[in-house]
Amino acid sequence: DAKTTQPPSMDCAEGRAANLPCNHSTISGNEYVYWYRQIHSQGPQYIIHGLKNNETNEMASLIITEDRKSSTLILPHATLRDTAVYYCIVRPGTGANSKLTFGKGITLSVRP
Amino acid sequence: DAGVIQSPRHEVTEMGQEVTLRCKPISGHDYLFWYRQTMMRGLELLIYFNNNVPIDDSGMPEDRFSAKMPNASFSTLKIQPSEPRDSAVYFCASSNMMGETQYFGPGTRLLVL
Repeated sequence: DAKTTQPPSMDCAEGRAANLPCNHSTISGNEYVYWYRQIHSQGPQYIIHGLKNNETNEMASLIITEDRKSSTLILPHATLRDTAVYYCIVRPGTGANSKLTFGKGITLSVRP
Repeated sequence: DAGVIQSPRHEVTEMGQEVTLRCKPISGHDYLFWYRQTMMRGLELLIYFNNNVPIDDSGMPEDRFSAKMPNASFSTLKIQPSEPRDSAVYFCASSNMMGETQYFGPGTRLLVL
């Protein structure tokens, strides 16, 4: 029961911003949007999460639409090391249902 | 902090053998999760613990799989007997609270011949 929809792949040029979209039209009021990424042969790595406000940290920015039905992860200056599978996950903040459920994610390829 | 530690990083074994995977969570984290990743099924949750107690093992594929957490700093995932279809990457993750950010280990790559 996928709660999110992501395109299978995208690419961008090194040094440019990478904008990764995610649709979560059935999101509930208490559910957060989380982003993880998995670089080849490594464990998933937390990037950022948000509830309804836009968020920014040292890795990325998360833009959530006002109706919360979609979001965009922005890597402001993509590098070759950002090539990875990016997972958008919707989950409650607490309780047993706040397990992480990974979909197929979006494969980002950063080209030189 | 060293992060989540898993051992071994790679394991090659023959069908029918017992396999034990190990995990040390981040100190102070009360939740520990075991995941399996395959090309066919992606990344799926097998079991998770809270304060060393198994809470949800609905993802454990069958009785050949078992997991324990004897103390707050150590957990094992055991497969006995192992089968070729168990070949996968097994990840351990930990978090401070349920719903909080999970931090993953580097994984154990298991190949069952």
